[in-house]
Amino acid sequence: DGGITQSPKYLFRKEGQNVTLSCEQNLNHDAMYWYRQDPGQGLRLIYYSQIVNDFQKGDIAEGYSVSREKKESFPLTVTSAQKNPTAFYLCASSPRDRGTNTGELFFGEGSRLTVL
Amino acid sequence: GESVGLHLPTLSVQEGDNSIINCAYSNSASDYFIWYKQESGKGPQFIIDIRSNMDKRQGQRVTVLLNKTVKHLSLQIAATQPGDSAVYFCASRDAGNTGKLIFGQGTTLQVKP
Repeated sequence: DGGITQSPKYLFRKEGQNVTLSCEQNLNHDAMYWYRQDPGQGLRLIYYSQIVNDFQKGDIAEGYSVSREKKESFPLTVTSAQKNPTAFYLCASSPRDRGTNTGELFFGEGSRLTVL
Repeated sequence: GESVGLHLPTLSVQEGDNSIINCAYSNSASDYFIWYKQESGKGPQFIIDIRSNMDKRQGQRVTVLLNKTVKHLSLQIAATQPGDSAVYFCASRDAGNTGKLIFGQGTTLQVKP
């Protein structure tokens, strides 16, 4: 079945360590997104990519990095520079052509990162 | 900047009653709106969407109403069931060509048996 796969589902990290969250999609979508979700808050955009080898910062990009070497993959690295990394991270994808699609985002099941 | 907000953080309804979840947005140029349902520990799932050239759209047991005059949209769930208990997010798409969605903070719907 087509979909978005995030891994790991749960991750624990010590302060000062970088960690990379995986996001893979087989929907043939051009655009991919990373959101952060904290309790009582909406989803906040970290980074997004509309095409391979190109990505843009979202609203809260500081302390994060991404790459988009393949259409199917959009990994997110949470660096030690991120001051409050404990959160639920959601990856999403969508077709790029706004003229023929609804704009709906397809989400993965999320990765919960806890910094000890 | 743009924002999307929900009126109530929590809504409690009796099983079988209708639920109405409200949302306000700030960007009058938004051309597309969408409602998501998120169950605990899972990713958001699409419920229903509506384009700005429409006022109402119906799905299975759900209806979305859009009032562009006051920049308000609502999600109505008919005959609410225990399985409807979740957090509901509204989102608006920015008017540019990025396809980015701006999410509200979410309303937790609690269905009482």
